Amino acid sequence: DAKTTQPNSMESNEEEPVHLPCNHSTISGTDYIHWYRQLPSQGPEYVIHGLTSNVNNRMASLAIAEDRKSSTLILHRATLRDAAVYYCILRGGRNAGNMLTFGGGTRLMVKP
Amino acid sequence: DAGVTQSPTHLIKTRGQQVTLRCSPKSGHDTVSWYQQALGQGPQFIFQYYEEEERQRGNFPDRFSGHQFPNYSSELNVNALLLGDSALYLCASSVGPGTGNEKLFFGSGTQLSVL
Repeated sequence: DAKTTQPNSMESNEEEPVHLPCNHSTISGTDYIHWYRQLPSQGPEYVIHGLTSNVNNRMASLAIAEDRKSSTLILHRATLRDAAVYYCILRGGRNAGNMLTFGGGTRLMVKP
Repeated sequence: DAGVTQSPTHLIKTRGQQVTLRCSPKSGHDTVSWYQQALGQGPQFIFQYYEEEERQRGNFPDRFSGHQFPNYSSELNVNALLLGDSALYLCASSVGPGTGNEKLFFGSGTQLSVL
């Protein structure tokens, strides 16, 4: 299965933008890049996903490198509620189905 | 609109016992997946049910089995419980068997403790 690499942890100040990186150098042409986050004591929550083009929604933006070997999740103004573990996951192609392979994720800490 | 609901929220069992966990998918969803999350780890995929059949399975022994009902709800059964089965069990629902372009919606999970 295609693997993703993320920093173990990151820190941000409240109301500042946050850029969470993800490397996926073995991504296949049909793999979608998904981001989920997990707040304490809750199940994972969908954040955003994309294939080739950058994507925006009410929660975040996803910037995908031209060669698709890396991507960045952008939270435009971090709030305390955004403190969570963020997972970058590849889906589709040979990973088709609902099997999400969660790695270690990035633990985001937000300081007031 | 109710999201994914799981029951019970907490459960305590003894080694060797059997347990059944339940999941109701989000309205309009027809696919259910189950995940196991040990403390401090990311969730691990157990299996996926679509059209009342197991469509995909992760690296879990046969002690883990499931079922999907005609109303799309699902059960996860674990036999011969081991201490290592203590974990948060998460259910996720979505539409269709999965091509990679769907969102998964997760419930809050069932916390299982095996003593």
